[in-house]
Amino acid sequence: AQSVAQPEDQVNVAEGNPLTVKCTYSVSGNPYLFWYVQYPNRGLQFLLKYITGDNLVKGSYGFEAEFNKSQTSFHLKKPSALVSDSALYFCAVRGLNSGGYQKVTFGIGTKLQVIP
Amino acid sequence: EAQVTQNPRYLITVTGKKLTVTCSQNMNHEYMSWYRQDPGLGLRQIYYSMNVEVTDKGDVPEGYKVSRKEKRNFPLILESPSPNQTSLYFCASSSGLASQQYFGPGTRLTVT
Repeated sequence: AQSVAQPEDQVNVAEGNPLTVKCTYSVSGNPYLFWYVQYPNRGLQFLLKYITGDNLVKGSYGFEAEFNKSQTSFHLKKPSALVSDSALYFCAVRGLNSGGYQKVTFGIGTKLQVIP
Repeated sequence: EAQVTQNPRYLITVTGKKLTVTCSQNMNHEYMSWYRQDPGLGLRQIYYSMNVEVTDKGDVPEGYKVSRKEKRNFPLILESPSPNQTSLYFCASSSGLASQQYFGPGTRLTVT
């Protein structure tokens, strides 16, 4: 069975400092990995994805993520945090189950708090 | 405008009263899915559909039904709602395995 772990319920970072939100995964076959962000009282918005190719992927709002196959990780990063980055971040893995159907598994989410 | 719509946005109901939450997308996506979001549990997949008339259970399907008779619509049916189904529900669609999902605005359901 596939799974996603986000080990930190909350990450606090000072504005201007680099931020990292951690994610590890387990899936059969090639991983299709995604990061989404949820602002208060809003739906989820896509940030970035890893499908294949370069291990460092760039996405919206200056975010990037590093895929590490040996550590089965896909950590979200940003060089300089903004107060407006404060939100709930979800990591997700998409894979095929034994029946060939697509299944999506999300992590429990990490609340990012950027302190002015 | 490309979007996923859900109705209603807010619903308060009583135990046992059947309800349907509608979901519609205008992007001609084959894949559609329902999730529930609960504090401390993240998003959990309820049901998903690979295409018309093709559906499968997600991680938490108990108490829910779905149907996919048209490509654009994927309603979620609660035949006999119970208080443990009080949650925030999201519908999503995408074009394929490697594609991002587009999420609806959410439906906040309270079952008393």
